[in-house]
Amino acid sequence: DQQVKQNSPSLSVQEGRISILNCDYTNSMFDYFLWYKKYPAEGPTFLISISSIKDKNEDGRFTVFLNKSAKHLSLHIVPSQPGDSAVYFCAASASGGGADGLTFGKGTHLIIQP
Amino acid sequence: DTGVSQDPRHKITKRGQNVTFRCDPISEHNRLYWYRQTLGQGPEFLTYFQNEAQLEKSRLLSDRFSAERPKGSFSTLEIQRTEQGDSAMYLCASSESYRPTFGSGTRLTVV
Repeated sequence: DQQVKQNSPSLSVQEGRISILNCDYTNSMFDYFLWYKKYPAEGPTFLISISSIKDKNEDGRFTVFLNKSAKHLSLHIVPSQPGDSAVYFCAASASGGGADGLTFGKGTHLIIQP
Repeated sequence: DTGVSQDPRHKITKRGQNVTFRCDPISEHNRLYWYRQTLGQGPEFLTYFQNEAQLEKSRLLSDRFSAERPKGSFSTLEIQRTEQGDSAMYLCASSESYRPTFGSGTRLTVV
């Protein structure tokens, strides 16, 4: 039973264009959502997060949108740069992510084409 | 801030052997997590410490897995009688609140 789903295993985007990565969840107890970026042979690196009381959070080129009624969130990267090529994981937590930890999706491999 | 440090980076072991991994969290972080990541999957939560107390261990994969965090500082994850299915990346993370910082992981290969 996969509670966090990233249905696109890979996504190819031209440099300078917008990258949109999608994530769906099923557990209505999730109240905090995070995006992590992962390069090969490294651990995941925190990118941006959003609380369930908000519907948008922006940090530089990265914006996360949350649609609670649809149980859907998305990460927008504008403009996309070659260094953005990595695997992106969507993660969710309930109750502050303490004893429940984070529940991750399978990831989307973003490839930025020059 | 030196980040989360994990040792070793790689471990190759024979089936049936015991292995132990070490994690040194960011010093001011009181929360510590262990995750496992297999090929094509996202990290899978295993266990959680708040200071030295292990508050969640039911998600450890079997009774062959155990973790400790003596004195609330570094942590160790031990796998006894390793099996080929234990081959994976084992990630440690620490946090003060909602945003865990991950280490680079220990890649375990069981042959």
